[in-house]
Amino acid sequence: DAGVTQSPTHLIKTRGQQVTLRCSPISGHKSVSWYQQVLGQGPQFIFQYYEKEERGRGNFPDRFSARQFPNYSSELNVNALLLGDSALYLCASSLPSGGARNEQFFGPGTRLTVL
Amino acid sequence: GQQLNQSPQSMFIQEGEDVSMNCTSSSIFNTWLWYKQDPGEGPVLLIALYKAGELTSNGRLTAQFGITRKDSFLNISASIPSDVGIYFCAGQLYNNDMRFGAGTRLTVKP
Repeated sequence: DAGVTQSPTHLIKTRGQQVTLRCSPISGHKSVSWYQQVLGQGPQFIFQYYEKEERGRGNFPDRFSARQFPNYSSELNVNALLLGDSALYLCASSLPSGGARNEQFFGPGTRLTVL
Repeated sequence: GQQLNQSPQSMFIQEGEDVSMNCTSSSIFNTWLWYKQDPGEGPVLLIALYKAGELTSNGRLTAQFGITRKDSFLNISASIPSDVGIYFCAGQLYNNDMRFGAGTRLTVKP
């Protein structure tokens, strides 16, 4: 069974540019969450989407946005990139939002480098 | 926001030794989870805990959900070289919002 997939694997951008990261959840999972992991730290929650609606948002600026499609895949967009946006961006999928036993399973991540 | 304090930050142990790491928070979580992350990869779920006081094992791994719902520990028995990696605790709320500790870097010497 395929796990969570993310594309691209690596990405290099320059300051001020825009980037789009993609995620496909585990088959049957309807919720997708995005995390930013800076080197040496734990993942930081950015967004959670369920049924194409934003259900949660972490402490990130409006330059970060996301959306979820009818097939439950998701995109994370970051505008006006800053050097500090360099990080591993992780996508996690889970069963429907809410309730217990809805563990999140992570993809391999997209390594974004901003020069 | 909810902050998780994970300790120790790093551990250097001999193969065969037991390992213990823990996570505390000032906030209550509904679920505690433990993940392992290898370099260049996403975190892999090891154990999930759903009830205060719950003790769960997965092979050589044992984890407990603290009775106050503000803490959890993970034990690894008889460590082997492939246990090397970074271990993260995470507290999750009902809305799937998950907060992570800073991680425990484990090194196992053969």
